[in-house]
Amino acid sequence: QVQLKESGPGLVQPSQTLSLTCTVSGFSLTSNSVHWVRQPPGKGLEWMGGIWGDGSTDYNSALKSRLSISRDTSKSQVFLKMNSLQTDDTAIYFCTIAAIFWGQGVMVTVSS
Amino acid sequence: DVVLTQTPSILSATIGQSVSISCRSSQSLLDSDGNTYLYWFLQRPGQSPQRLIYLVSNLGSGVPNRFSGSGSGTDFTLKISGVEAEDLGVYYCMQATHAPLTFGSGTKLEIK
Repeated sequence: QVQLKESGPGLVQPSQTLSLTCTVSGFSLTSNSVHWVRQPPGKGLEWMGGIWGDGSTDYNSALKSRLSISRDTSKSQVFLKMNSLQTDDTAIYFCTIAAIFWGQGVMVTVSS
Repeated sequence: DVVLTQTPSILSATIGQSVSISCRSSQSLLDSDGNTYLYWFLQRPGQSPQRLIYLVSNLGSGVPNRFSGSGSGTDFTLKISGVEAEDLGVYYCMQATHAPLTFGSGTKLEIK
């Protein structure tokens, strides 16, 4: 059974760095891609970036300068780091395996 | 970036009614490998997105066959043949042919 779970701080101060972890079970990270998608309150879905089975990464061009995605295959974890957070980064952050399986999401609020 | 335009933005239907949602792309989604990477998702209130359709017309695992997808090139359609109460939520199309992956703005299905 494939499961994904996002974890990280619920509150981040403006200008600080967001660090999120996606822990995967029942699926090999080297077999497919894992992506991060976010959703501001009441708004639509935005693809942030992904890491492919071979470890290569792709990023949304609008976020590329602030965003880094990496993984630890031994722990079945994928990491998201995004710096210089602003209030409009407030959103639910989802990780998804190839857009097939999705985590429940983690709400991140950017506020002082 | 590829822009996906979904219409309508809001759809009101009675139980048993058949409805369609359109997704138009700003450029062809036919990939050089012959595949068209167009997907449909349903996000029920308070839940993560669920994949309904992949590669334009293939039904996702466990998805009822009242859902169907069609189209090619730049024009795609999701049809629900006989809406049920559990179908309420927001429907999104997504393309993965061109980087970055992009989502449509969503269609909210309301049950009358």
